[in-house]
Amino acid sequence: GAGVSQSPSNKVTEKGKDVELRCDPISGHTALYWYRQSLGQGLEFLIYFQGNSAPDKSGLPSDRFSAERTGGSVSTLTIQRTQQEDSAVYLCASSLPSGRGAKNIQYFGAGTRLSVL
Amino acid sequence: ILNVEQSPQSLHVQEGDSTNFTCSFPSSNFYALHWYRWETAKSPEALFVMTLNGDEKKKGRISATLNTKEGYSYLYIKGSQPEDSATYLCAPLNSGNTPLVFGKGTRLSVIA
Repeated sequence: GAGVSQSPSNKVTEKGKDVELRCDPISGHTALYWYRQSLGQGLEFLIYFQGNSAPDKSGLPSDRFSAERTGGSVSTLTIQRTQQEDSAVYLCASSLPSGRGAKNIQYFGAGTRLSVL
Repeated sequence: ILNVEQSPQSLHVQEGDSTNFTCSFPSSNFYALHWYRWETAKSPEALFVMTLNGDEKKKGRISATLNTKEGYSYLYIKGSQPEDSATYLCAPLNSGNTPLVFGKGTRLSVIA
């Protein structure tokens, strides 16, 4: 596709349920990033993929959060046993690899707004 | 972890006013600085990527300057218009540190 695609755009779930958020990056972008923005907060880095591997998982807030990427393309962010504090907008971005002259310009999807009741 | 500060946190200006805001970041191991604009209900979009001390970039009525020695960048908007209303985010990039660390942003509201 032309841009980064995220689904669903909105997700309402009950506390304790698992959710999966999907990101389809721009074709040819090997780097993929997950961020979230909680109410009143800035963009918080969660995890970064280079190809299928995740060199930096430092931002995942707890072991309930996991992410994978297959085929160097689509990524899913899974939140297990959701809590109310997980409510946020989850953004995905992709970029060309560092060192290719693109200086890591990131192209963002429209986000998934997660509400945990 | 990079400490990125943006000020002010929010700003209200009248249409036609010029305005500016600041991004402060550690000056050591500097590689690049990104500015993004995030309009409500849209995705953040890259405005500028700046790499050299003294860099000045311009896109229409928006321009930015960079001082890597003291660790700050200014974003200027000349003759603000309602469509400039957005949150403006900056993110420095360290050598070898690929994920961007965003500041909390400056939320600009331009009142017609």
